[in-house]
Amino acid sequence: DVVMTQSPLSLSVTLGQPASISCRSSQSLVSSAGGTYLNWFQQRPGQSPRRLIYAVSNRDSGVPDRFSGSGSGTDFTLKISRVETEDVGVYYCMQGTHWPWTFGQGTKVEIK
Amino acid sequence: EVQLVESGGGLVQPGGSLRLSCAASGFMFSKNWMSWIRQGPGGGLEWVANINDDGRETYYVDSVKGRFTISRDNVQNTLYLQMNSLRLEDTAVYSCARSGTPGSVDHWGQGTLVTVSS
Repeated sequence: DVVMTQSPLSLSVTLGQPASISCRSSQSLVSSAGGTYLNWFQQRPGQSPRRLIYAVSNRDSGVPDRFSGSGSGTDFTLKISRVETEDVGVYYCMQGTHWPWTFGQGTKVEIK
Repeated sequence: EVQLVESGGGLVQPGGSLRLSCAASGFMFSKNWMSWIRQGPGGGLEWVANINDDGRETYYVDSVKGRFTISRDNVQNTLYLQMNSLRLEDTAVYSCARSGTPGSVDHWGQGTLVTVSS
């Protein structure tokens, strides 16, 4: 199975400051068809996960543009340009290139 | 609006069975792959199973193969997860999700809690 490793596992950020979460996969996420199926999800306290980013860098409808995804191959990053109070929660990366789909451990973001 | 509403969770003894359901609305159910994903007491997420749009293709995580069966009714717009030979480690909130784009899920339900305990 593809192992997804996130870092850091916890992040304390000052309001208005940037934040960055790394996600590394144990093997390339480039599919045989050429797509790279790396996703980012946000889970706010008490809520179901919500997808923010799919296929590395495509932002979902309604997701603020302060969220951005980048990367390739085995190395990916989620960036929040200016953290706001509503961004508190746990962020997960997930690969959908190889069966079984696998998630990272999650990164808890809190406000300093 | 996409809505996914799970039901069927509860308390079951080890070795027992449960059948989860997920009622889908607000989109063309029969045109979408669907998933079951679970979140254990520790908070980690684990993808459990996928089914293609017509129900002929299914995929499972190794830990549930041979015990769980994903299925769907495209007339009733309902997704199912039949869980047999349940183990303590199957305790989790089980959520259904729509796979609206390749290699991803774009909408999740609120989940139903399955507790396996003696």
